[in-house]
Amino acid sequence: AQKVTQAQTEISVVEKEDVTLDCVYETRDTTYYLFWYKQPPSGELVFLIRRNSFDEQNEISGRYSWNFRKSTSSFNFTITASQVVDSAVYFCALSGLAGGTSYGKLTFGQGTILTVHP
Amino acid sequence: DAGVIQSPRHEVTEMGQEVTLRCKPISGHDYLFWYRQTMMRGLELLIYFNNNVPIDDSGMPEDRFSAKMPNASFSTLKIQPSEPRDSAVYFCASSLAGHGYTFGSGTRLTVV
Repeated sequence: AQKVTQAQTEISVVEKEDVTLDCVYETRDTTYYLFWYKQPPSGELVFLIRRNSFDEQNEISGRYSWNFRKSTSSFNFTITASQVVDSAVYFCALSGLAGGTSYGKLTFGQGTILTVHP
Repeated sequence: DAGVIQSPRHEVTEMGQEVTLRCKPISGHDYLFWYRQTMMRGLELLIYFNNNVPIDDSGMPEDRFSAKMPNASFSTLKIQPSEPRDSAVYFCASSLAGHGYTFGSGTRLTVV
């Protein structure tokens, strides 16, 4: 069975602060994908990143960066110099790759509500 | 590409009525998923299909819920009879071989 835990239910920061959203996962699969999605107040689910379990390199995209550590089963997300427009709910998710027991099935964490104040 | 298209965007219905939610996946995608989002339970996977065949429906809450995928370009999620506790946002998503998931805009269902 797969499980994704986002321990931070809500985070509140002031604009320009850096913020890190934590994600810890459990899976019996040896190969898997990890994802982050953003859900702004408008409600849609916006894809941010997909990381293959083979690749532990950190990734940076503009103000966003992701830290994947297989040894601790964590896939944390950092926003640098946060902005009001970053206010949203952020979801971490996990799916199995071909051949695994959870192939094709995307399991979400409970989400972290991020509020960035001006 | 128009993305995953869900209809209707909003649905308000009375308890006991039948509700049908519709989804058109991205052309060429072989997986289709139905999720339900509520404050209490977060994003729950209800059912998913691979090549139009239901693979896992263990998340379907009860017999009042049913889902079909008659062809590769269309799926429905039906609730009959609907109850107030079914009020939620229902998302459809499609994927190509599980390598990425594209979500529709969701259907906000309110059962009064």
